[in-house]
Amino acid sequence: GPKVLQIPSHQIIDMGQMVTLNCDPVSNHLYFYWYKQILGQQMEFLVNFYNGKVMEKSKLFKDQFSVERPDGSYFTLKIQPTALEDSAVYFCASSLRDWGGDYAEQFFGPGTRLTVL
Amino acid sequence: AQKVTQTQTSISVMEKTTVTMDCVYETQDSSYFLFWYKQTASGEIVFLIRQDSYKKENATVGHYSLNFQKPKSSIGLIITATQIEDSAVYFCAMREGNTGANTGKLTFGHGTILRVHP
Repeated sequence: GPKVLQIPSHQIIDMGQMVTLNCDPVSNHLYFYWYKQILGQQMEFLVNFYNGKVMEKSKLFKDQFSVERPDGSYFTLKIQPTALEDSAVYFCASSLRDWGGDYAEQFFGPGTRLTVL
Repeated sequence: AQKVTQTQTSISVMEKTTVTMDCVYETQDSSYFLFWYKQTASGEIVFLIRQDSYKKENATVGHYSLNFQKPKSSIGLIITATQIEDSAVYFCAMREGNTGANTGKLTFGHGTILRVHP
């Protein structure tokens, strides 16, 4: 099926540093999402993005978080500064919108494992 | 607010048998969409199957099918003729309907670990 790529696969940083997680969505997809998964738990929605704007963000999307997709390149999640509780796997997803106007199923990347020390 | 509950933490079955995984959901929307994904040992998340709330017929894709019981807010996943490679964590997810306020976000359950033994 369609592939979403994420770079890097694993990132280890010190608390307080900045980190940028990169996502290369499916080429013709228009809607982009970030989800957070703490080890052994379910994925939780962070934010979604369309046409250069955040559509919705959850309470997990703290002020230290930001997203952008400059000039149609990578869809990025930036955390500045990082905190210990940001350690998790971050999944990027993308989707189309159906002809009927509905959101189609989301396709997920392999995730970036972020470890904050 | 949406909520998705998977009560089965883990299930073990023998290869080539049929397994059913449970999922119940809560939503205020009259229109919604239900999904099952699986997460493999490598962490990859794979879309399996989808059920739209307005469709009465249960969805089927390959050896995956759904048991959609709308009055019970239940969407069970049935895997027939299980294979060793079906061993994974299975997540049920829901997305609310296509109104202006809904942005496509998914709400996930906690997942069910499926182990298929030879």
